[in-house]
Amino acid sequence: ETGVTQTPRHLVMGMTNKKSLKCEQHLGHNAMYWYKQSAKKPLELMFVYSLEERVENNSVPSRFSPECPNSSHLFLHLHTLQPEDSALYLCASSQDTNSETQYFGPGTRLLVL
Amino acid sequence: GENVEQHPSTLSVQEGDSAVIKCTYSDSASNYFPWYKQELGKGPQLIIDIRSNVGEKKDQRIAVTLNKTAKHFSLHITETQPEDSAVYFCAAKRADSSYKLIFGSGTRLLVRP
Repeated sequence: ETGVTQTPRHLVMGMTNKKSLKCEQHLGHNAMYWYKQSAKKPLELMFVYSLEERVENNSVPSRFSPECPNSSHLFLHLHTLQPEDSALYLCASSQDTNSETQYFGPGTRLLVL
Repeated sequence: GENVEQHPSTLSVQEGDSAVIKCTYSDSASNYFPWYKQELGKGPQLIIDIRSNVGEKKDQRIAVTLNKTAKHFSLHITETQPEDSAVYFCAAKRADSSYKLIFGSGTRLLVRP
C-alpha cells in the first residue's frame, strides 16, 4: 500500500451525469496531483495542488473541476463528460511540489457512455 | 518542451532471462529520471531513479543506466521472475520544473514461466 487511496475504483456514467472522484493520502504530504492515464499514452498531468492551493491547471476542459479542501483530500468533480474522457484517473501525492518522488493511488477506472 | 520516447511497447521474456527497456529524452536540461512499475489494478510505483550526475545505479536485480550525451536511459532487469510482469514507465524532469514529470508511453513486460 502506498498510503494513497481512491474511491470509487470503477465508475460508469452517462454524459449528462455528475459524479465525483475522491482521493485521500495518509502520508502527511503537502502536494497532490490528478493524472489521466489513457491506453498506450503517457500519463497526462491535469492538476496540481500545494497546501490546498492550485498551482497547475494543465489546459484541462472545464467539465473537470478539482477541489482540495485540505492537504489530505483531493476531489475531481465530473459533469457532462464525453466518451473520450474514459480513462484511468490517478491521484498522487508528494512531500511538496519540490519533491521528485510521487506516490500514486490505484486509480479510478472511468467509463463514459 | 520535453518529450520522452519509450521502447519497446511490449516485451516478452522467459523467466530467468534479462529484460531491457529504453527511453530517450529531448530536453538536455532534464536531470532526474525515475522508473515506475504499474501492476494490474494498481497505480504506478517508483522502483528506481537516477540523476544526471550518475551514470549507473543498481538495486538488487534492477539497474538503470544514463547516457547524457546521447540523451537516453535504460532499465535493466536481470533474472526475471513472473512477478516482474507489469507495465513499466520511464519519466524525465527538468531541474527547474519541480514536480513536472514527463512520462514515456509505457512498456508491457511479460515474463513467461
